Amino acid sequence: KQEVTQIPAALSVPEGENLVLNCSFTDSAIYNLQWFRQDPGKGLTSLLLIQSSQREQTSGRLNASLDKSSGRSTLYIAASQPGDSATYLCAVRTQGGSEKLVFGKGTKLTVNP
Amino acid sequence: SAVISQKPSRDICQRGTSLTIQCQVDSQVTMMFWYRQQPGQSLTLIATANQGSEATYESGFVIDKFPISRPNLTFSTLTVSNMSPEDSSIYLCSALGGQGSYGYTFGSGTRLTVV
Repeated sequence: KQEVTQIPAALSVPEGENLVLNCSFTDSAIYNLQWFRQDPGKGLTSLLLIQSSQREQTSGRLNASLDKSSGRSTLYIAASQPGDSATYLCAVRTQGGSEKLVFGKGTKLTVNP
Repeated sequence: SAVISQKPSRDICQRGTSLTIQCQVDSQVTMMFWYRQQPGQSLTLIATANQGSEATYESGFVIDKFPISRPNLTFSTLTVSNMSPEDSSIYLCSALGGQGSYGYTFGSGTRLTVV
């Protein structure tokens, strides 16, 4: 059974700092991995999608990497801003025909001005 | 990727009543799903909404409590029946597929409070 773990559970940084959020998964046979952002009481916004054959994806100040063999992904946020404050969720779709996503519990990020 | 309109965005309901949540996708999608997010928790899959047939429920969720419809490839509803305060959560619909998309898209969520 696939399990997804995110570390740390919460992170508080000053504005302008570069930071890394971590995601690990137990079954390396994944189809893809997706990072989401969730603002309090809101839905999920997709940030980056990495297919199993890819090593990284970039969008603006965000860079996500994938090391499938070790079961790890990182989300790098450059030059953090107060508007980046949110919960970041990592989700994995496992191979084998299942369309289900398995979510981590998220990292709550606070960027202080 | 697909855009999902979900409504209502929030509601406060009396215990014992039912609430129906609607999701409309702006393009035909392969799959639609319903999730629950209890306070302070991550997302839990309730069921996969199958077009033209009964939904596929995850362990711990039953059709009598969470009836789901998906009459076509762009629309689905979730009903939370006979509500109790324990049903207070955020409910989210999700879609897989759509034009040029390999990932999942989520609606903006329905924040339900049962009193």
